[in-house]
Amino acid sequence: AQTVTQSQPEMSVQEAETVTLSCTYDTSENNYYLFWYKQPPSRQMILVIRQEAYKQQNATENRFSVNFQKAAKSFSLKISDSQLGDTAMYFCAFILTQGGSEKLVFGKGTKLTVNP
Amino acid sequence: DAGVIQSPRHEVTEMGQEVTLRCKPISGHNSLFWYRQTMMRGLELLIYFNNNVPIDDSGMPEDRFSAKMPNASFSTLKIQPSEPRDSAVYFCASSFRDRDLINQPQHFGDGTRLSIL
Repeated sequence: AQTVTQSQPEMSVQEAETVTLSCTYDTSENNYYLFWYKQPPSRQMILVIRQEAYKQQNATENRFSVNFQKAAKSFSLKISDSQLGDTAMYFCAFILTQGGSEKLVFGKGTKLTVNP
Repeated sequence: DAGVIQSPRHEVTEMGQEVTLRCKPISGHNSLFWYRQTMMRGLELLIYFNNNVPIDDSGMPEDRFSAKMPNASFSTLKIQPSEPRDSAVYFCASSFRDRDLINQPQHFGDGTRLSIL
């Protein structure tokens, strides 16, 4: 079974600092996608970044980057220069590709608070 | 471009009543997903459709829950009869699954907060 684990229920960071959210997953498949979604208090689910498992290069989107360690099945999210608007729940998620399951499996989430 | 549109945004009703949640996916998307979010269980996939056909409904909790997708631009999730434990935020998401069956990111609606009294 595919599972996603986020071991940090809550984290906080000072504005302008860097924070890393951890995520580990379990699968026996070789081709899959990993995602980080952000859910601010407005409740929207916003895609932050995604990583294809077959790519060795870590994905980057502006201040957001990932550290993808395929052998360790680890997919952490680094937020640089944290802003107050980054305060949200962050969900790590996993999905198979190439005709595999459509199911997006989510972790339980990490509540991130950015303090002024 | 319009995103995934869900209605209503909030629903408060008494137990035993029928509840219908609605979703309009992004135009051109051919996969649609219904999720439920609670504090206890996090985000759970209830059911998903591909080309309007239900593919996997193993996440639907009980027979009280049903979902339909009569066409590519509309889906409903119905609870009948509703119970207080159904209170949650229900999300609809859509994505495009191309001919190579590569899964594209799912785009979420704003959710419906359902409260059953």
